[in-house]
Amino acid sequence: DAKTTQPTSMDCAEGRAANLPCNHSTISGNEYVYWYRQIHSQGPQYIIHGLKNNETNEMASLIITEDRKSSTLILPHATLRDTAVYYCIVRYRYSGGGADGLTFGKGTHLIIQP
Amino acid sequence: EAQVTQNPRYLITVTGKKLTVTCSQNMNHEYMSWYRQDPGLGLRQIYYSMNVEVTDKGDVPEGYKVSRKEKRNFPLILESPSPNQTSLYFCASSLYPGDGTDTQYFGPGTRLTVL
Repeated sequence: DAKTTQPTSMDCAEGRAANLPCNHSTISGNEYVYWYRQIHSQGPQYIIHGLKNNETNEMASLIITEDRKSSTLILPHATLRDTAVYYCIVRYRYSGGGADGLTFGKGTHLIIQP
Repeated sequence: EAQVTQNPRYLITVTGKKLTVTCSQNMNHEYMSWYRQDPGLGLRQIYYSMNVEVTDKGDVPEGYKVSRKEKRNFPLILESPSPNQTSLYFCASSLYPGDGTDTQYFGPGTRLTVL
């Protein structure tokens, strides 16, 4: 799986949009971009994923650049409950029946300020 | 409610005393997996199961056993726990193995301390 690079930490004011960047310059054509988050020692929670088109769901939006070498997760109206570590992960469409485990890096610690 | 449950949530034990951490999911998922999370090391996969009676090693399987006799349950067994297995453990499941479009659902975690 391709390696990702994320900032270690970010601050965002409550009610504003939080934009979390991720670089994945070695991503291959059949790798998806996933975002998970982990709120203080709770189980990681799936947020969104995409291949090359921008995606939106009830939690967030995912913007993937045209060359797919980077992406941005957008939380449109951040709340204090969005304070968490956010992980950007790239993964193949089919693992070939292998481990299929997610490789979590260090992620970005997003702190929402009141 | 669709969920992955783990028990116990917290456990303090002593070296060498066998223990089992249970994991159960109610989503009829085929794929289940165990991770451990340690400071500075992130989440690492211990074992996984593609379906009933099908299990395989992840990245850090030493000192652990698993079984998958039923689809919904995937217990993690530590036959002789040691202090280096002190960690936060997560069970996860997903509908189909090997499909990168599938999302994984995680349990709440089990914090294990081995003295």
